[in-house]
Amino acid sequence: QVQLVESGGGVVQPGRSLRLSCAASEFTFSAYGMHWVRQAPGKGLEWVGVISYDGSDRFYADSVKGRFTISRDNSKNTLYLQMNSLRVEDTAVYYCAKGRGPYTDYSYGLDVWGQGTTVTVSS
Amino acid sequence: DIQMTQSPSSLSASVGDKVVITCRANQSITSFLNWYQQKPGKAPKLLIYTASTLQSGVPSRFSGSGSGTDFTFTISGLLPDDFATYYCQQTHSAPPYTFGQGTKLEI
Repeated sequence: QVQLVESGGGVVQPGRSLRLSCAASEFTFSAYGMHWVRQAPGKGLEWVGVISYDGSDRFYADSVKGRFTISRDNSKNTLYLQMNSLRVEDTAVYYCAKGRGPYTDYSYGLDVWGQGTTVTVSS
Repeated sequence: DIQMTQSPSSLSASVGDKVVITCRANQSITSFLNWYQQKPGKAPKLLIYTASTLQSGVPSRFSGSGSGTDFTFTISGLLPDDFATYYCQQTHSAPPYTFGQGTKLEI
């Protein structure tokens, strides 16, 4: 079935880096924009960013702009989130999610989500 | 950036009740408003997109309406499985695609 599986979470010190991965299966990965959404402990959902179907466009939340980079490898059906200069407030469960609309149509919500991977930033 | 305000933040209800959650944007988002359900320890699930379109497989007791800045999400005839947290999200034009703060629906 259509599936997204995140990996790469863990405990990291403030100021360090971490890269998350999201492996996609059973859909045409290269045809959809992909998003990252995070959820701090006990808090609501925060949209982190999106990458277009071909990787040519990327947009970020102000809270991560300049520190986080989203990329994708369509040959491997894999999405990435490179997180640099991590802060304590980046502690969260990170979800990857598929845009429901194809290509650069981001209007129709996020219809497939991974199970999430936990990132803890602590000294 | 577009800000989304959801209310109430929590809601107590009983099986069989009808519940309504509202979401307000600080500027017009036409109909680009989505609703999600999240259960503890689980990923969110898309229920409704473009304000009123039911995602495939979602029961018809869930519905949404609204346009512009004001939106409502309704569950008609609560079932035990519906007790969860619900979020709105706007996906109008350019990012960021902000979420509301959530509504926790409790027994």
